[in-house]
Amino acid sequence: DGGITQSPKYLFRKEGQNVTLSCEQNLNHDAMYWYRQDPGQGLRLIYYSQIVNDFQKGDIAEGYSVSREKKESFPLTVTSAQKNPTAFYLCASRSLPQENYGYTFGSGTRLTVV
Amino acid sequence: EDQVTQSPEALRLQEGESSSLNCSYTVSGLRGLFWYRQDPGKGPEFLFTLYSAGEEKEKERLKATLTKKESFLHITAPKPEDSATYLCAVHFSGSARQLTFGSGTQLTVLP
Repeated sequence: DGGITQSPKYLFRKEGQNVTLSCEQNLNHDAMYWYRQDPGQGLRLIYYSQIVNDFQKGDIAEGYSVSREKKESFPLTVTSAQKNPTAFYLCASRSLPQENYGYTFGSGTRLTVV
Repeated sequence: EDQVTQSPEALRLQEGESSSLNCSYTVSGLRGLFWYRQDPGKGPEFLFTLYSAGEEKEKERLKATLTKKESFLHITAPKPEDSATYLCAVHFSGSARQLTFGSGTQLTVLP
């Protein structure tokens, strides 16, 4: 079945450590997105990419980095510059010619600073 | 600034007690409004897309409607399995194909 796979489901980060969250999709979608979700808040856009080897900053990109070397993959690195990284991270993808279906989301990664 | 506001933040219903969730938006140009359901610890699941005022979509006990300034998600005779957070998202004309999300309504249906 087609879908988006995020891994790991749970991730613990020590102070000053960089961590990478994986996002893989087999839907042949063009665009991919990373959102951060905090309790009581809506999803906030971190980065997005509409084509391979190109990506744009979202509303809260500081302290994060991404790459898009393959159409299927869009990993997110949470760097030590991100001072409050504890949150639920969601990856999504979208077929640009079929916007009426909105986004397909992964199951999320919960990141905790220890 | 384009904004999406959902109300109420939380809603508790008895099983069978119908109600509505609201999503209001201030936009320079609406290209689409989306409703999602999110269960705890999981990613949002797509429910509906609405494009123009007067449009309605239905799925089981859920019905979504759209006006020029807001959308409603009507839940008829809800069951406990309808308990979830319902998210509204809007695609604005100047947003480079991104969606702007509301903060959600947490629905609890009691047996």
